This record gives sequence, C-alpha cells and structure tokens, in this order.
Amino acid sequence: AQKITQTQPGMFVQEKEAVTLDCTYDTSDPSYGLFWYKQPSSGEMIFLIYQGSYDQQNATEGRYSLNFQKARKSANLVISASQLGDSAMYFCAMRDDLNTGFQKLVFGTGTRLLVSP
Amino acid sequence: DSGVTQTPKHLITATGQRVTLRCSPRSGDLSVYWYQQSLDQGLQFLIQYYNGEERAKGNILERFSAQQFPDLHSELNLSSLELGDSALYFCASSVGSAYTFGSGTRLTVV
Repeated sequence: AQKITQTQPGMFVQEKEAVTLDCTYDTSDPSYGLFWYKQPSSGEMIFLIYQGSYDQQNATEGRYSLNFQKARKSANLVISASQLGDSAMYFCAMRDDLNTGFQKLVFGTGTRLLVSP
Repeated sequence: DSGVTQTPKHLITATGQRVTLRCSPRSGDLSVYWYQQSLDQGLQFLIQYYNGEERAKGNILERFSAQQFPDLHSELNLSSLELGDSALYFCASSVGSAYTFGSGTRLTVV
C-alpha cells in the first residue's frame, strides 16, 4: 500500500529565507506521481508542484522546487524567499500512475508553516 | 478559480438530517473524486466516478452515497448525519498530471 510520511508537524521560518518541508513515501509501484498542495486558513487546496517518478529533473514552479531523491524515496518541497502569505498547511501526496483509470491521492498528515516578519 | 466548482461552500445541519453536496469538474475531465478532511482522520479518499460510473470506493460510510450525472457533475449524499461527519468535503478532477481540487464544502453537524 502507498504511504506518505510528513514528520514535521510545524515549521517556522523568517520572511525572505528558504525553508524545506520533508516528505517521504513508500510504494512498490514503478510509476507514480508526487504532489504538493498548500492549504491556507480559508481551506482550499492549492496545487503547487508535481513530480513524476520517471522525470529526470527536479520539478520547479516559481519559488517552489521539489527535491526528488528516488533512491531515498523522498520528495521534499523547497520554498525559496519565504513570504508572509506562505503561512499555511502543506500536504504531500502520491498517486499511482500505473492505473490511469483510477488515480486517487494518498496524503500525508501535513506540515504547518508559519512565516514571521 | 481552479475550474472545479463545489456548492455550497458552507452547510450547517442537525444530526439525523440528509444533505447533498454538488461538484462540477473542470471542463473535459471525466473523473470526479470525493475526499473528506477531518481533524482526526486527515484527508481521506471517499469515492471516484468516471464518466458516470463508480470506479473505486475508499473509506466511505454506508450512509454516504454519490453519483455522477450525464453532464459529468457529481453529487455526494450524506444521510443520517452524526456529529462526527462534520468535516471539509472536497471534490477533485484529474487529467494527466493535473489533479485539481474544488474549494470544498464545510459541513457542520450540530
């Protein structure tokens, strides 16, 4: 069974600094996708970044990058130059990409990030 | 706007009642997924529909049911509501690497 582990319940960072949110995963499937979502206090789930298991390069989206280490089964999210608006809950999730007709996401427990001035 | 539309945004109802949550997927997406986010269970997959047919079930209670209509919108029906059903219910749709969530329906059972 697929499993996502986020070991940091909370993280603090100062504005303009970089922060890394940890995510490890477990799966026996060769083809999978890894996602990061941001959930602000308003509740919506905002897609940040995606990494496919066969992607050769680490994914980047603006200030977000995914440090994908396949052998270690880790997919850490790096936020550069943190902003006050980055304060939110962050979820790592995994999808089985083998069965294209059924692609539920398995989520971690999340990390709450607080950015201070 | 993610393109996935959920209504209503908030719902307050009494125990024992029945409610219906509605979701319209992004244009062209055939799959609709329902998730429940509660404080004690986290984010849990409930059920998936693909082009009108049930494709997979997760941790969905028997008191809950769903369907997807020919226009691809989906409804999640929650009946005999209990206090523990209070949660944020998300709908999502996907195609390729895109997996997009609606803004959710916050259900409060009192």
